[in-house]
Amino acid sequence: EDKVVQSPLSLVVHEGDTVTLNCSYEVTNFRSLLWYKQEKKAPTFLFMLTSSGIEKKSGRLSSILDKKELFSILNITATQTGDSAVYLCADSGTYKYIFGTGTRLKVLA
Amino acid sequence: DAGVIQSPRHEVTEMGQEVTLRCKPISGHNSLFWYRQTMMRGLELLIYFNNNVPIDDSGMPEDRFSAKMPNASFSTLKIQPSEPRDSAVYFCASSFGGSRYEQYFGPGTRLTVT
Repeated sequence: EDKVVQSPLSLVVHEGDTVTLNCSYEVTNFRSLLWYKQEKKAPTFLFMLTSSGIEKKSGRLSSILDKKELFSILNITATQTGDSAVYLCADSGTYKYIFGTGTRLKVLA
Repeated sequence: DAGVIQSPRHEVTEMGQEVTLRCKPISGHNSLFWYRQTMMRGLELLIYFNNNVPIDDSGMPEDRFSAKMPNASFSTLKIQPSEPRDSAVYFCASSFGGSRYEQYFGPGTRLTVT
């Protein structure tokens, strides 16, 4: 059965810290891995990764995929209180996403 | 673009009542997804439409749940009769084509069944 496992489940850091969120997956007919940020509303798209070893960056956020070891990491540098959210990863098979349960990040001022 | 639109944003109903949730996908997107999110089970796919046709409804929990997509700009998710365990946030998402593109989520409908 396809599944996505995220770790840690929750994380509390102080502003300025760097965090690494982990996502491991097992999926039939893997197509891509995606990261979303969810605050108190709908998930918003961050990254889509399809190729192993190629880092995607957006400001202080970056992500990389390892297709051999079946995992991805999301890094956030110089964290800010606005980064507090649940971060979801999802892998996509033929047509649908399987979501992990998320990592809840809290950044303290 | 207005993004994915869902209504109502909040719904409180009594057990046994019929509930209808509505979704308008982003114009031009041909794939539509209904999800349910709870603390216990996270984000679960209920049903997936492609070009208005239901492709996979294996996530629909039971016969009380049904979904339709009569045209490219409208979909409904109906629960009849509703039960307290149906309480959750229901999201609609759309994309250009299945899992090849990122999905854009609507604001969700928070359903409470008492």
